[in-house]
Amino acid sequence: QKEVEQNSGPLSVPEGAIASLNCTYSDRVSQSFFWYRQYSGKSPELIMSIYSNGDKEDGRFTAQLNKASQYVSLLIRDSQPSDSATYLCAVKISSGSARQLTFGSGTQLTVLP
Amino acid sequence: EPEVTQTPSHQVTQMGQEVILRCVPISNHLYFYWYRQILGQKVEFLVSFYNNEISEKSEIFDDQFSVERPDGSNFTLKIRSTKLEDSAMYFCASTGEAYEQYFGPGTRLTVT
Repeated sequence: QKEVEQNSGPLSVPEGAIASLNCTYSDRVSQSFFWYRQYSGKSPELIMSIYSNGDKEDGRFTAQLNKASQYVSLLIRDSQPSDSATYLCAVKISSGSARQLTFGSGTQLTVLP
Repeated sequence: EPEVTQTPSHQVTQMGQEVILRCVPISNHLYFYWYRQILGQKVEFLVSFYNNEISEKSEIFDDQFSVERPDGSNFTLKIRSTKLEDSAMYFCASTGEAYEQYFGPGTRLTVT
């Protein structure tokens, strides 16, 4: 079964620190990777997408992808208490026309003021 | 900014009853999805819909489930005979030509 694995946490960081969230996936043909933020009781909110090896930066967020290691990560710089949420890694597992996402179980992040 | 909308926000139903969950995807999007999330568990894919037909479905999406796009804006998920284990948050999502999926706020389904 094609899986997406995340450390469930909880991960606690002080305000202003860098939070590092990690995700591994099992299917080598995966091409598209996404990070979602989910506040308690709310729906997933897209933060970043990444398709190529390397880093992609958007404001305080940096996604990193290493397809050889089947690893994708999310760095949050200058973490704020409002960043406290569960971060979901999602992967478009299949190549070709199938577009559904497979989600990890999420990492719960707490940013301490 | 365009967004996916869903109604109702909360639906309570008795076991064995039919429910219809409604979604309005982002207007120029082409691909539509239903996911569910049982409390405390992963977001799980149910079904994808493109060009007025199902393009992919998961093992969860059995004969009790159906989807429909009855008009140019709505996208519905029907559960014919609800079970206790159908209690979950149901999320609709949509995407255009790109792969980024945007989720609606969800419908909390409670089966008693």
